[in-house]
Amino acid sequence: DQQVKQNSPSLSVQEGRISILNCDYTNSMFDYFLWYKKYPAEGPTFLISISSIKDKNEDGRFTVFLNKSAKHLSLHIVPSQPGDSAVYFCAASGDGSGNTGKLIFGQGTTLQVKP
Amino acid sequence: SAVISQKPSRDICQRGTSLTIQCQVDSQVTMMFWYRQQPGQSLTLIATANQGSEATYESGFVIDKFPISRPNLTFSTLTVSNMSPEDSSIYLCSVLLAERRTDTQYFGPGTRLTVL
Repeated sequence: DQQVKQNSPSLSVQEGRISILNCDYTNSMFDYFLWYKKYPAEGPTFLISISSIKDKNEDGRFTVFLNKSAKHLSLHIVPSQPGDSAVYFCAASGDGSGNTGKLIFGQGTTLQVKP
Repeated sequence: SAVISQKPSRDICQRGTSLTIQCQVDSQVTMMFWYRQQPGQSLTLIATANQGSEATYESGFVIDKFPISRPNLTFSTLTVSNMSPEDSSIYLCSVLLAERRTDTQYFGPGTRLTVL
């Protein structure tokens, strides 16, 4: 039962254009969502997060949008840079049982930004 | 933020043996977690390492296979016991710096394990 899904295994965009990475979830108890970036041979690095009380959070070139009714979130990177090429994971937490800190991850999307 | 180190960074082991992975944080943290990333797969939580008490394991993971220690607020170990090739994965520890669940989790660099 995949509670967090990233249906696009890969995405290729041109430098300077927008990258849009998508994530869907099924568990309505999730109330906190995060995006991580992972380079080969490194651990995931936190990018940006959003609480379910918001529908948008912005940090520099990165914006996360949350559509609770559709159980969908997306990460926009504008403008995309070659250094953004990495695997991007979305993650969700919240199961109604309190402070567990447990994260459920999607399968990841490999982003390639071409110069 | 937190600086997290893991030892070893990678290892190649024979089936039937055990490997202990260490996770060290540069500051005291309330919650530490162990994840596994199998080849081509997502990250899956193995267990929450509780300081001074037994770890809390997720469905599909058991203490006999993945014993965990957490003797203090900056250190934890994960042992992969009686290894088989299916245990070949990247093992990652992560930490939460404060009580609030919505705080950011920081990850270590991972330990790449290959079992022959």
